[in-house]
Amino acid sequence: AQKITQTQPGMFVQEKEAVTLDCTYDTSDQSYGLFWYKQPSSGEMIFLIYQGSYDEQNATEGRYSLNFQKARKSANLVISASQLGDSAMYFCAMREGGTGGFKTIFGAGTRLFVKA
Amino acid sequence: NAGVTQTPKFQVLKTGQSMTLQCAQDMNHNSMYWYRQDPGMGLRLIYYSASEGTTDKGEVPNGYNVSRLNKREFSLRLESAAPSQTSVYFCASSEARAGKYGYTFGSGTRLTVV
Repeated sequence: AQKITQTQPGMFVQEKEAVTLDCTYDTSDQSYGLFWYKQPSSGEMIFLIYQGSYDEQNATEGRYSLNFQKARKSANLVISASQLGDSAMYFCAMREGGTGGFKTIFGAGTRLFVKA
Repeated sequence: NAGVTQTPKFQVLKTGQSMTLQCAQDMNHNSMYWYRQDPGMGLRLIYYSASEGTTDKGEVPNGYNVSRLNKREFSLRLESAAPSQTSVYFCASSEARAGKYGYTFGSGTRLTVV
């Protein structure tokens, strides 16, 4: 069964520094998608970045990049130059491939605190 | 603004009462989803609708029913609410299979069952 694991319940980072949020996944599918979402204290869910299992390059979106290591089944989120507004909950997610390709499963999340 | 609209934002129910959570999207997305979020457990899929006219169970469907009323609207019904259904409920939509653009989420419904 597909599974997403985020082992860091909470992380602290100094403003302007980079931070890596860990995510490992488990799937037997060859085709799958990996996502990161941000949930600020206001509660909304915001899509950040996507990586397809066949993408050879790591995905980047502004200050966000996804460190995709397929053999290790990891999809870590790197936030460069952290800002106070980055303080939030971050969820790693995976969309399974094949005929069940509409379901996305989420990890338990990592709460990031950015210190001034 | 284009997006996913959920109503209501807050609701308190007594055990055994019923209610319907409404969700509508105006992005012409084919697929819609209902998730619940509980502390320490991330989001869990309740039901989804891959396209208009179809619905399928997710990870935690017991105690819920859904209706895909048309392409825009996807409702979630609790027939007999239980305290275990106290949660934050999110509706989401996507292009088919949530490709590189991921899901667009509604703002959530905070439901308390007493």
